Amino acid sequence: QKEVEQNSGPLSVPEGAIASLNCTYSDQGSQSFFWYRQYSGKSPELIMFIYSNGDKEDGRFTAQLNKASQYVSLLIRDSQPSDSATYLCAVNRGSGYSTLTFGKGTMLLVSP
Amino acid sequence: EAGVTQFPSHSVIEKGQTVTLRCDPISGHDNLYWYRRVMGKEIKFLLHFVKESKQDESGMPNNRFLAERTGGTYSTLKVQPAELEDSGVYFCASSQDEFQTQYFGPGTRLLVL
Repeated sequence: QKEVEQNSGPLSVPEGAIASLNCTYSDQGSQSFFWYRQYSGKSPELIMFIYSNGDKEDGRFTAQLNKASQYVSLLIRDSQPSDSATYLCAVNRGSGYSTLTFGKGTMLLVSP
Repeated sequence: EAGVTQFPSHSVIEKGQTVTLRCDPISGHDNLYWYRRVMGKEIKFLLHFVKESKQDESGMPNNRFLAERTGGTYSTLKVQPAELEDSGVYFCASSQDEFQTQYFGPGTRLLVL
């Protein structure tokens, strides 16, 4: 079983729609969860992080965490063509374990 | 404030040659990480420096890889001798402390022929 799993996509949504990106992880000791956006040929850029169960909102982005189900998601409201990128889910164990374990990423395509 | 920089952006070498990658972290960031993404795979951790000390090098694939961070500023990652399977994108990231956000550099694209 992969440590962090994501559907590779592509996930295609029309402009203005809600994009829902999902991620599951296998290490029950994981404590911190991150969503990075990566445009083709560029470096990963942090969008959001979440530590506690529930929802965390930042502008058009909402991260959701369910530790019991070992599931984390990212919702993008009012999707724009500029949101088209690969979204990487990453986790770490916290408590001094700072290295990130990444999923392969989900490609999101937002059509005008 | 300058971000994480990496040099070179691309490198094409032949199997058996040596390549040295460089990473300059964000000024003041004590924590420096190396990651690698092989084509078709996820980004994988290689090692973590705190200042000049190796905190965790559990991800280094073998002894052909040598990372240094003399003086606790920039870091180098040397691959000697390079093999075909070393091809990929090598990312460097830095953070202020181990609980802070990691900021990634643009990566070095290494192709071993």
